Amino acid sequence: GENVEQHPSTLSVQEGDSAVIKCTYSDSASNYFPWYKQELGKRPQLIIDIRSNVGEKKDQRIAVTLNKTAKHFSLHITETQPEDSAVYFCAARVNDMRFGAGTRLTVKP
Amino acid sequence: DTAVSQTPKYLVTQMGNDKSIKCEQNLGHDTMYWYKQDSKKFLKIMFSYNNKELIINETVPNRFSPKSPDKAHLNLHINSLELGDSAVYFCASSQERLAIQQYFGPGTRLTVT
Repeated sequence: GENVEQHPSTLSVQEGDSAVIKCTYSDSASNYFPWYKQELGKRPQLIIDIRSNVGEKKDQRIAVTLNKTAKHFSLHITETQPEDSAVYFCAARVNDMRFGAGTRLTVKP
Repeated sequence: DTAVSQTPKYLVTQMGNDKSIKCEQNLGHDTMYWYKQDSKKFLKIMFSYNNKELIINETVPNRFSPKSPDKAHLNLHINSLELGDSAVYFCASSQERLAIQQYFGPGTRLTVT
């Protein structure tokens, strides 16, 4: 089955800096790659996603890139703010969604 | 207007007990899921259920069983609870099994003592 690895497990940045979280996947048939944000005690919520036929997608301060050849995809957050602090999950889907282990992002004011 | 709801929000129980967690979605979605999030925040799919088709993650013990009385509900029954079952359980739904977006419920924190 699909195996998704996510790095780093924790990331601390200063407010205003950029943050990058990387994921790799194992199944080349994976065709959809969402990113979820989970604030403390809350449910995971989709923040951005990308399909396998697209290399990059941007939504305001967040962007996702996909390299199908290398089977990795990344989340980029620019101009980070304290409210970006959360756990971020990448996922890859062939049939069912397989999640990465999560990255705890802390943005220091 | 809650799209995906779960009850209870917190559940504390003793080892060996049998318990259920309820999930309801009012989005008209065809597919529902159960996820387990352990203390390390790792989110793992347990089941997906679509039009009476149940897909089970092979790592899930058979003490766990989903029950769907209708398309809008997918309840999770757990028999003979163990300490290792302590986790947050999330229900989710999507338009169809291969739909791109899943909507998560608020989670149920299960603590087994």
